[in-house]
Amino acid sequence: AQKITQTQPGMFVQEKEAVTLDCTYDTSDPSYGLFWYKQPSSGEMIFLIYQGSYDQQNATEGRYSLNFQKARKSANLVISASQLGDSAMYFCAMRGLYNNNDMRFGAGTRLTVKP
Amino acid sequence: EADIYQTPRYLVIGTGKKITLECSQTMGHDKMYWYQQDPGMELHLIHYSYGVNSTEKGDLSSESTVSRIRTEHFPLTLESARPSHTSQYLCASRGTGSGRTEAFFGQGTRLTVV
Repeated sequence: AQKITQTQPGMFVQEKEAVTLDCTYDTSDPSYGLFWYKQPSSGEMIFLIYQGSYDQQNATEGRYSLNFQKARKSANLVISASQLGDSAMYFCAMRGLYNNNDMRFGAGTRLTVKP
Repeated sequence: EADIYQTPRYLVIGTGKKITLECSQTMGHDKMYWYQQDPGMELHLIHYSYGVNSTEKGDLSSESTVSRIRTEHFPLTLESARPSHTSQYLCASRGTGSGRTEAFFGQGTRLTVV
């Protein structure tokens, strides 16, 4: 079984500052992948970043980075230099690479960037 | 850009009507999924398919049914729509393989049953 927990229903950040969105997970799979998606008000799901459980380094994609702490089972998303267009829902998701092969999502965090 | 399409984008329909939400992808992905999402809430997996003639129910009990006769097509059907079915329905697909095989999503169908 898999469980994804996002404990921050809403977050605010000032434009140009950095923000961290929390995600913890639980799984019985020895290997798994962690994903973050962004969902603007228009409703589409946009893939942001991926972290494999055996990756030695934390993933980075432009202004997005993933603070992966395997022992703590956390995969927090860090957005640097926030922009107004970053205001959206953010979902953490995971997928087992052997069992539990389907992607499950957390409840999401609504990020609001203030000018 | 992902090549996965959902139609219609918006649908308002009366109680008791039968509806089919369409989802097609041109990426040749074997795995396809349907998620149900209330506005601003989490995504619930309701159906998935690992290939042609393969369909399974997801975590959330749903009165909908799906079919997978062709790789590229994964329609979802509600035989008799009810107001409780009002929600957004998101279709997704991904390729086979371990590692970074992220799911690509369609733009969603926002269903309102009146």
